[in-house]
Amino acid sequence: RKEVEQDPGPFNVPEGATVAFNCTYSNSASQSFFWYRQDCRKEPKLLMSVYSSGNEDGRFTAQLNRASQYISLLIRDSKLSDSATYLCVVNMDSSYKLIFGSGTRLLVRP
Amino acid sequence: DTGVSQNPRHKITKRGQNVTFRCDPISEHNRLYWYRQTLGQGPEFLTYFQNEAQLEKSRLLSDRFSAERPKGSFSTLEIQRTEQGDSAMYLCASTSGTGSYEQYFGPGTRLTVT
Repeated sequence: RKEVEQDPGPFNVPEGATVAFNCTYSNSASQSFFWYRQDCRKEPKLLMSVYSSGNEDGRFTAQLNRASQYISLLIRDSKLSDSATYLCVVNMDSSYKLIFGSGTRLLVRP
Repeated sequence: DTGVSQNPRHKITKRGQNVTFRCDPISEHNRLYWYRQTLGQGPEFLTYFQNEAQLEKSRLLSDRFSAERPKGSFSTLEIQRTEQGDSAMYLCASTSGTGSYEQYFGPGTRLTVT
């Protein structure tokens, strides 16, 4: 079983739609949680950290449920520029090495 | 440009050859990480350094792979006797090791083994 699991998609949505991605992680000792965005043939870039209390950054909302070992990302009012792969990421120890899911691909159409 | 840089950006090599990649982290960052990414997968951790010390290596890092960070600044990743299965994007990331621990990634080196 993979340490971080995501639905690979693709999610194909019209502009303006709301879309939600989910992710589960297997190691209950995981300490920190993130969503990264990766454009085609580019490096991953941090989108947002995820906190137990939930956090919002503009159109993006992230939630963490430690009991269920579940992380979510909600994107409201999708833009064409949101088209990318969204990577769910955890780290588990003091090395701060990142454990990535396989990513969920989002396509926003006009 | 004060971000993480990697060289070369692309490398095509024949099976059995040795290749070396370089990563220059953000100057004040003391932690440096190497990851490998294949098509359709997320990056996978290979190894990391705190200053010049290599503190952890993944089991993915076979004995054909070696990484160094001799002066705690830039790092090199060498692959000896390359195999077709080594074809991937090799990503380097750095972090200051304090505060948010956000890792900043370089643009990667895309390796193709023919």
